[in-house]
Amino acid sequence: AQTVTQSQPEMSVQEAETVTLSCTYDTSESNYYLFWYKQPPSRQMILVIRQEAYKQQNATENRFSVNFQKAAKSFSLKISDSQLGDTAMYFCAFGDSGAGSYQLTFGKGTKLSVIP
Amino acid sequence: SAVISQKPSRDICQRGTSLTIQCQVDSQVTMMFWYRQQPGQSLTLIATANQGSEATYESGFVIDKFPISRPNLTFSTLTVSNMSPEDSSIYLCSVAYFYEQYFGPGTRLTVT
Repeated sequence: AQTVTQSQPEMSVQEAETVTLSCTYDTSESNYYLFWYKQPPSRQMILVIRQEAYKQQNATENRFSVNFQKAAKSFSLKISDSQLGDTAMYFCAFGDSGAGSYQLTFGKGTKLSVIP
Repeated sequence: SAVISQKPSRDICQRGTSLTIQCQVDSQVTMMFWYRQQPGQSLTLIATANQGSEATYESGFVIDKFPISRPNLTFSTLTVSNMSPEDSSIYLCSVAYFYEQYFGPGTRLTVT
């Protein structure tokens, strides 16, 4: 079974600064997907970014980018130019692409506060 | 992506009663999922609901407690039966598109 670990329960960052959220995972699979989800206080889960394990290039979506280290099983999220709207819980998730299950395993989350 | 709605958005129920949560998607999808998120916690998968087959439940969740229906490719329901205060949680449905999952807004359930 896969496990996902987020070692930072809470973080804070000044508005306009950059912050990095950490995530490590454990799996014996070679093909998989990794995701970062954002859950603001409104509780709607929003997909922030996706990384396919077979791709060496790190995914980027506007101010959000990842540092994917497959050998180290590490998948961190960098948020640049932090905005007040980035305040939310951030969940790292592992998706097993095998057998078409599409299931996700979530980490415990990191609560990010952006300070004006 | 998909637009997913859930009803009700929140409810307060008495112990021993049941609540049915509805999940509606604006397009046809094969796989739908139901999650529970206890206060301040991460998401835990309850079951996978595929149209035309019985739902597949994760360890610790049973059909008698959480019966699921999936009558078509755009709709599913989750019933929380014989509720106790420990069932107070947010319940979310999601759909899978090409290994990505998109979530509904959740149903906040409080059991008194």
